[in-house]
Amino acid sequence: GAGVSQTPSNKVTEKGKYVELRCDPISGHTALYWYRQSLGQGPEFLIYFQGTGAADDSGLPNDRFFAVRPEGSVSTLKIQRTERGDSAVYLCASSSDGGSYNEQFFGPGTRLTVL
Amino acid sequence: AQKVTQAQTEISVVEKEDVTLDCVYETRDTTYYLFWYKQPPSGELVFLIRRNSFDEQNEISGRYSWNFQKSTSSFNFTITASQVVDSAVYFCALRMTTDSWGKLQFGAGTQVVVTP
Repeated sequence: GAGVSQTPSNKVTEKGKYVELRCDPISGHTALYWYRQSLGQGPEFLIYFQGTGAADDSGLPNDRFFAVRPEGSVSTLKIQRTERGDSAVYLCASSSDGGSYNEQFFGPGTRLTVL
Repeated sequence: AQKVTQAQTEISVVEKEDVTLDCVYETRDTTYYLFWYKQPPSGELVFLIRRNSFDEQNEISGRYSWNFQKSTSSFNFTITASQVVDSAVYFCALRMTTDSWGKLQFGAGTQVVVTP
């Protein structure tokens, strides 16, 4: 079956602009995670959705970052007033539920470059 | 605080050699899960293995094996008879059961380069 997909694969924007990154999880997966991976580093947690609600957004760096999952499937990560420091690969992962033992399946990521 | 340390930034080997990747973690939780993920040049993280904290039995799965030692907080991973396709960045990750939402905490990764 289809895995996690993310669009766009690459996004180049100018400082101060608004961007949206999309994640399509595996069908039927209720848990969805966003991570950010800077060059040479491991992924860092941003936000977790269980169904439609953001159960844990403790990893969002500031209020310029926001994410939604209105129907419990597709999620959109939104970044306002982008800064050069936001440049990174944004990874989305889904799992069948949020249980600690369940494997997370990752998408290919969106590479965001802020000029 | 929780933390995952992968001290090796890069390991280079010749094909068919064994490769062991080190991972040391810190947590105050008594129950937790440890994972290894592989990130090939394509960028997509691929799940390899998982271990829970109350099962220290070491196992082998194909060419992969792991050595979990709770006493030293280490979760090392070995690739036996490496192949060029094993070239990738490998991440160790920690997940606490007290964290109901199951987020992963990753180490910085170890780049493995396998040459023919």
